[in-house]
Amino acid sequence: KAGVTQTPRYLIKTRGQQVTLSCSPISGHRSVSWYQQTPGQGLQFLFEYFSETQRNKGNFPGRFSGRQFSNSRSEMNVSTLELGDSALYLCASSRQTGVQVDEQYFGPGTRLTVT
Amino acid sequence: GEDVEQSLFLSVREGDSSVINCTYTDSSSTYLYWYKQEPGAGLQLLTYIFSNMDMKQDQRLTVLLNKKDKHLSLRIADTQTGDSAIYFCAWSYSNDYKLSFGAGTTVTVRA
Repeated sequence: KAGVTQTPRYLIKTRGQQVTLSCSPISGHRSVSWYQQTPGQGLQFLFEYFSETQRNKGNFPGRFSGRQFSNSRSEMNVSTLELGDSALYLCASSRQTGVQVDEQYFGPGTRLTVT
Repeated sequence: GEDVEQSLFLSVREGDSSVINCTYTDSSSTYLYWYKQEPGAGLQLLTYIFSNMDMKQDQRLTVLLNKKDKHLSLRIADTQTGDSAIYFCAWSYSNDYKLSFGAGTTVTVRA
């Protein structure tokens, strides 16, 4: 079956602009999480959505927001872009069947460059 | 990654064993994971261990957990060139899908 897909794969934006990234989870997966990966801060959790509700949020400013649609697809939005927002943004989906370890499957990421 | 610390680089000869180490600070973590990231790709879950276990073996991979020292290690037996990648340790609480990651160890396999 198809894996997690993220669009676009690469994006260049200017400071002050806003950006929307999209994530399509694996079919049947209901949970979507977002992570930011930078050389300086490593991998950091942004937020997690399940059934269109944000259940968990990382320590990021309010410029970072997200949402999940009824088909489990998710988008994240970053407003008023700063140079420090340049990063690889990874999306992960999981089935959420209630088993103890529910593997998170990661997409290839969206590489955002802010100039 | 401030909750989890990893050594940054490891160079190993093909056919030898690789050992990647990780130290975590939160003793209430329930699940500990090892992920692999190849260039241009997302993260792939390699294996995981529950905090009530000491060891887990999965084919060429062996995970050791020392809860007293809060030390986690991943041993890769018979390391191959395809094992060259960045390896991340991570942890989470029970029923919490937030993963906290280490900085990652870049493993280079030389012939």
